[in-house]
Amino acid sequence: QQQVKQSPQSLIVQKGGISIINCAYENTAFDYFPWYQQFPGKGPALLIAIRPDVSEKKEGRFTISFNKSAKQFSLHIMDSQPGDSATYFCAASNNFNKFYFGSGTKLNVKP
Amino acid sequence: DAGVIQSPRHEVTEMGQEVTLRCKPISGHNSLFWYRQTMMRGLELLIYFNNNVPIDDSGMPEDRFSAKMPNASFSTLKIQPSEPRDSAVYFCASSWGTSVTGELFFGEGSRLTVL
Repeated sequence: QQQVKQSPQSLIVQKGGISIINCAYENTAFDYFPWYQQFPGKGPALLIAIRPDVSEKKEGRFTISFNKSAKQFSLHIMDSQPGDSATYFCAASNNFNKFYFGSGTKLNVKP
Repeated sequence: DAGVIQSPRHEVTEMGQEVTLRCKPISGHNSLFWYRQTMMRGLELLIYFNNNVPIDDSGMPEDRFSAKMPNASFSTLKIQPSEPRDSAVYFCASSWGTSVTGELFFGEGSRLTVL
């Protein structure tokens, strides 16, 4: 059973546009929701993370929106740049133990 | 800090051979994770250690897979005998665990091809 469901599988956005990736989870015990960014040939790296006690977290052009009642969270990339082209994974964890990853979204930002 | 170091970066082997993947976590981290990445299944957690002790190995596919962490600075993932369906990128990650922050630091991965 997939603990975290992620969509879309791939996304094409024009430079300057907004990229939006969505994730949903079932386990209400999850208390930590990170997003990881992966470039080809590299390991995933933490981009931004949120705890369920806040509804939004912003770091530069990256924002996580969190809806606890709907058990959904999303990543918004404002003013998307070609350098943002990568694969993005959402994840969820309970007390930083097991991390469950979404299936990934391949983002392509067109110049 | 050098980050999480994995070796080898690439391994090509024939079916039936033993494969050993190695990982050196970031110094001071007390949790270590082994993940497998494939196009079909994404990132799958195979096993994780806390303070060198295996906590959850429910993701290990079968008895052909084994993992050890003899000390805080070294872990191995062994596949014996290897099969073509084991072809994937294997990532090691480490973290501070529950004590400080949940950030996982991944190595660059070991790409395994079993012919």
